[in-house]
Parts: sequence; structure tokens; C-alpha cells
Amino acid sequence: DTGVSQNPRHKITKRGQNVTFRCDPISEHNRLYWYRQTLGQGPEFLTYFQNEAQLEKSRLLSDRFSAERPKGSFSTLEIQRTEQGDSAMYLCASSSGQINSNQPQHFGDGTRLSIL
Amino acid sequence: DAKTTQPNSMESNEEEPVHLPCNHSTISGTDYIHWYRQLPSQGPEYVIHGLTSNVNNRMASLAIAEDRKSSTLILHRATLRDAAVYYCILRASPMYSGGGADGLTFGKGTHLIIQP
Repeated sequence: DTGVSQNPRHKITKRGQNVTFRCDPISEHNRLYWYRQTLGQGPEFLTYFQNEAQLEKSRLLSDRFSAERPKGSFSTLEIQRTEQGDSAMYLCASSSGQINSNQPQHFGDGTRLSIL
Repeated sequence: DAKTTQPNSMESNEEEPVHLPCNHSTISGTDYIHWYRQLPSQGPEYVIHGLTSNVNNRMASLAIAEDRKSSTLILHRATLRDAAVYYCILRASPMYSGGGADGLTFGKGTHLIIQP
């Protein structure tokens, strides 16, 4: 168990550019989650996948955001035409999910995005 | 989602027990009580969860009030490494949420300060 891995750890970009983050979950975890955290606040849920299917999206996930998990393993989160307000820590988590379970979510250490 | 209320911050001394309270007066009968913590510059980490009975694990104990409207996370002997933000989260059982609503709803949590 190597834990949830997120790359890059830090990303600095200019406003208007596109960015993509990658998350590698714990192997064999079928559920994968994306969250966003701004300074002084708790993480906010963005979206989640069960295997390759995206099952839930928060209203925070604007049209500029897209997430994929093409083979049910790693996931990418892309932000197009970045804005100042997108500056945040983007966290990924994974869990083993079975119906009627309360399996904990295991988080990575996040990708910190700074928009210049 | 049912809401939780936690103190903004608490302070304790090293090697003493710490009791972190959480109020959740609108909890439903199928909501589990989860606790996560977030150390500086890291992603959240699962601590413990329970439904009705008190729970113990290697990290902490969870005491749940009989009416389930409040709970307390107990760290039996705090160390400096326990300094973190602690989040109390209600999580609907996937069986009752239809398996779709699985994102965690974090509040601002309690910032625990441990004095040496």
C-alpha cells in the first residue's frame, strides 16, 4: 500500500492557461474522489468515480472543470482557462466501495495550484 | 446534509487526554459519525467512525451520546504530532443514499493546539 499519489505537488500558472492534475489511487480501490480546499477552509467535494463511471458532481464543478478516470485506475482533473479563484489545494482520495459500507477515504497530499 | 458544529480551536498539554466535542442535533437515524484530521501540509486522514455505540481504535475513542445529537473524539494521551485540524462529519450510509451521494462534507473543524 503506497498510498494515494498526486502529481504535481505544486503548479504555478498564468491566468487563462489550462492545467491538468493526476491522481493515482491505492491499487484496487474502486472509488476515487476529488476535493478542493482553500486557505482556512475544510475540503469541498467536487466529484467522484466508481471505477470509470463518474457518479456525482458538485455544483462547484463548473464547465471549465473536467475529470476523467478512463480505465478505472488513475484519474485526471483538468481546469481550462484558469481564473484567480481557482487557486487552491486540489485533493484526491480513494476508497474501496461496497454497498452498505462506510469505508474510510484515503487522501493524497494534494496539488497546490497558484494562479498568477 | 445534516450539519455539525465544532469549536474553532482547542488547546491542550502534551501527554494529557483531549476531548473534542461535536454537535449534530439534526442527525438522521442512518447517519454515521466520522472523524478525520488534517496535519499541516497534508491531506485529511481518517481517524474513526461510529453509528450508535462507542468505538475505540489505535488512534482514538469515539463517545456517542445516547440521543446521538452529539459526540466526542477522545485522544487518550496527546502528543505534539496530534496537533491538527479535526473534522467531525456525518455520512449517510451508502445503502440509504442510493450509493450515489458519497462525497464528504467538511466544515471548518477544530484546530487542536498541543503545548509541550
